Amino acid sequence: NAGVTQTPKFQVLKTGQSMTLQCAQDMNHNSMYWYRQDPGMGLRLIYYSASEGTTDKGEVPNGYNVSRLNKREFSLRLESAAPSQTSVYFCASSVGLAETQYFGPGTRLLVL
Amino acid sequence: GNSVTQMEGPVTLSEEAFLTINCTYTATGYPSLFWYVQYPGEGLQLLLKATKADDKGSNKGFEATYRKETTSFHLEKGSVQVSDSAVYFCALREYIFGTGTRLKVLA
Repeated sequence: NAGVTQTPKFQVLKTGQSMTLQCAQDMNHNSMYWYRQDPGMGLRLIYYSASEGTTDKGEVPNGYNVSRLNKREFSLRLESAAPSQTSVYFCASSVGLAETQYFGPGTRLLVL
Repeated sequence: GNSVTQMEGPVTLSEEAFLTINCTYTATGYPSLFWYVQYPGEGLQLLLKATKADDKGSNKGFEATYRKETTSFHLEKGSVQVSDSAVYFCALREYIFGTGTRLKVLA
């Protein structure tokens, strides 16, 4: 049972480049989330999807877009990367909102 | 609005010492409360949770009691081990996390 998987594990980008972070879960969960983790800031929610077909902004959505491709997959896109987006990105899923979240291993992104 | 405040770290303890990590919250209604743990190089994983006032969550020797009168959900463990070294996050409802408290346990 894989749980929540994320790709890639590590990525280096130049300022202005674009990329998509992939996330998939095999637990038949309805809700999915994208967070970024920065030193001293804890986890901050970027976007979430309460159920298939819906997405909503979190605390720090600027510079990001998301797609809930199907029930399993939830991708995060950076259209024009900036150094301020250097962070560790975590995807999570849960049965529903306010339920226990299950996290992926993270993607470490460095923007030069 | 909804928010979580937890004590800043790092917290350094000797093995078998007593641990308390404070967490207080601001919210309307009766939100679910969680403690997550993050081991080095990994994602977060649920440690324990409580869904209503006076509930006590427990797991792996850790405990936390949902205190509505003090809006708190402090994490405690009677005797820590080196393997408990990690970052601990208090969380409120679906996606409101504290800033994390790093715990280091020395042998």
